[in-house]
Amino acid sequence: NAGVTQTPKFQVLKTGQSMTLQCAQDMNHNSMYWYRQDPGMGLRLIYYSASEGTTDKGEVPNGYNVSRLNKREFSLRLESAAPSQTSVYFCAIRFTLTDSPLHFGNGTRLTVT
Amino acid sequence: RKEVEQDPGPFNVPEGATVAFNCTYSNSASQSFFWYRQDCRKEPKLLMSVYSSGNEDGRFTAQLNRASQYISLLIRDSKLSDSATYLCVVNDAGNMLTFGGGTRLMVKP
Repeated sequence: NAGVTQTPKFQVLKTGQSMTLQCAQDMNHNSMYWYRQDPGMGLRLIYYSASEGTTDKGEVPNGYNVSRLNKREFSLRLESAAPSQTSVYFCAIRFTLTDSPLHFGNGTRLTVT
Repeated sequence: RKEVEQDPGPFNVPEGATVAFNCTYSNSASQSFFWYRQDCRKEPKLLMSVYSSGNEDGRFTAQLNRASQYISLLIRDSKLSDSATYLCVVNDAGNMLTFGGGTRLMVKP
């Protein structure tokens, strides 16, 4: 996962707390993505950013906000965490061409109690 | 119906066996296809892209059948280290990529 750094690696929140998951890349790729992965559900797209200054909703955006701060950074914010948001969150990047693959960060394991 | 479907397995095979997985997709306009490998509690890692004419990388062969809307992954001479979950990914249009649920492979000694 060279070039995609996610922080933190682990986090435990209480219901109603807020937090921001950070993602930074040094591969100069245009597109950045946030996925969540739950047992039996596979990877589901929360939000993506095709390029700096743009963001779009994915399959499961409710309860989340994102910011594409610059080309390098794409953050995911939970304003009021809920137990249903307990999951593993992956940031991914892509060069932009439709035949280019995704490269993932290590992931953030979030538990909401 | 899910957009991208895979048999969840597990596929239990002995070392040295040949094993194949299929992945079906529902959008006939899908443009590009990939296979990823994911180890337990790790991030998905690209195994190989899937090209229209089929492609091979060592013991791994990927095929695309547009008429029947599926992609396949063939692993020859399975190793213990091939034990993992294999995810297929389909690019429908633009920047949207959809993942299958994954197929779990367990290679036994």
